[in-house]
Amino acid sequence: SQELEQSPQSLIVQEGKNLTINCTSSKTLYGLYWYKQKYGEGLIFLMMLQKGGEEKSHEKITAKLDEKKQQSSLHITASQPSHAGIYLCGADTGNQFYFGTGTSLTVIP
Amino acid sequence: EPEVTQTPSHQVTQMGQEVILRCVPISNHLYFYWYRQILGQKVEFLVSFYNNEISEKSEIFDDQFSVERPDGSNFTLKIRSTKLEDSAMYFCASSQLGSNQPQHFGDGTRLSIL
Repeated sequence: SQELEQSPQSLIVQEGKNLTINCTSSKTLYGLYWYKQKYGEGLIFLMMLQKGGEEKSHEKITAKLDEKKQQSSLHITASQPSHAGIYLCGADTGNQFYFGTGTSLTVIP
Repeated sequence: EPEVTQTPSHQVTQMGQEVILRCVPISNHLYFYWYRQILGQKVEFLVSFYNNEISEKSEIFDDQFSVERPDGSNFTLKIRSTKLEDSAMYFCASSQLGSNQPQHFGDGTRLSIL
């Protein structure tokens, strides 16, 4: 089965600071997705990466997929309290969808 | 923007009772999914559904679980005889046809088994 390990497990940053969350797969990724979850709410789709070396940005969030397609990073520039939540990476194996262990982000104003 | 809606937001049920969780996927989506998240744990895949039948299911999705698309808009998850360990957040998701289409999630139903 697909295993997705995220690091760090939790992160507390001061507003305005940059941060990076990593997602490492036990197998080659054919599609890597980033979602954000607020406590007690559903998952919000952020970005999808498919090609090795691909990088996508949306507002202050940038996600990259490495050339070997086994690791992805999510980078937030100049973090804001609205960025707080749990960030999940997910992978589609073609028959099932697996989520990572999650990274809880707290942004202190 | 269209969204996936789930009802109820919170369901409290006695152990052994049947429960039905309801979802209305995004209207032009053709793939439907159920996931669960036990408190403090990972989001886990339960089942995917396409063309009125189950596409894939995980080990969690045993005979106690069933899914149905009773009409053109609803997608339901039924748990026949609930157990304490079924207490979790259940998320419905849907996606468009095609490979690597992102799944869009509802806000979930919190199921509490007493």
